[in-house]
Amino acid sequence: ELKVEQNPLFLSMQEGKNYTIYCNYSTTSDRLYWYRQDPGKSLESLFVLLSNGAVKQEGRLMASLDTKARLSTLHITAAVHDLSATYFCAVENNDMRFGAGTRLTVKP
Amino acid sequence: NAGVTQTPKFQVLKTGQSMTLQCAQDMNHNSMYWYRQDPGMGLRLIYYSASEGTTDKGEVPNGYNVSRLNKREFSLRLESAAPSQTSVYFCASGYYDIRPQHFGDGTRLSIL
Repeated sequence: ELKVEQNPLFLSMQEGKNYTIYCNYSTTSDRLYWYRQDPGKSLESLFVLLSNGAVKQEGRLMASLDTKARLSTLHITAAVHDLSATYFCAVENNDMRFGAGTRLTVKP
Repeated sequence: NAGVTQTPKFQVLKTGQSMTLQCAQDMNHNSMYWYRQDPGMGLRLIYYSASEGTTDKGEVPNGYNVSRLNKREFSLRLESAAPSQTSVYFCASGYYDIRPQHFGDGTRLSIL
């Protein structure tokens, strides 16, 4: 059974700092997705990673996928308050499983 | 605005009551999904429909039924609500079989 683990589950950052969120998964897959959820809101698709070595960047966020290590990372560069949200990874195999989410708080 | 529309947004039920959550999309997507989201957990798939006329169980289907009424609409029914079904329910749609691309705003359901 596919299991998806994110860490950390909670992250409090200072503005301007860098940090990385990790997403590990248990079975072979080369399709991974990152979503953002603001409090009380729906999920918004951020990145689609479809092959080993895939890297996608948008603004201060960069996502990468290493299918051999079964690991994806979401790197935050020079965090700003607007990035405060919960970030989910989801892995596609025979179905799609979500991680528990990383609740990010960026403080001034 | 185009997207996925869920109704109602909030609902409180008593144990044993029944209700149907409605979902409609206007993006001509083939696939539709129902997820539940519980505190500290990611989304878990309840049921999905890869195309009109087909439905399949997801990870946590017990206690739920679904109907894909047409290409636009996918409803989720709780026949006899239980407190364990207190959750936030999200409907989603997409072009592909197992990947949701657009989510509704959610239905916050409390069962007392």
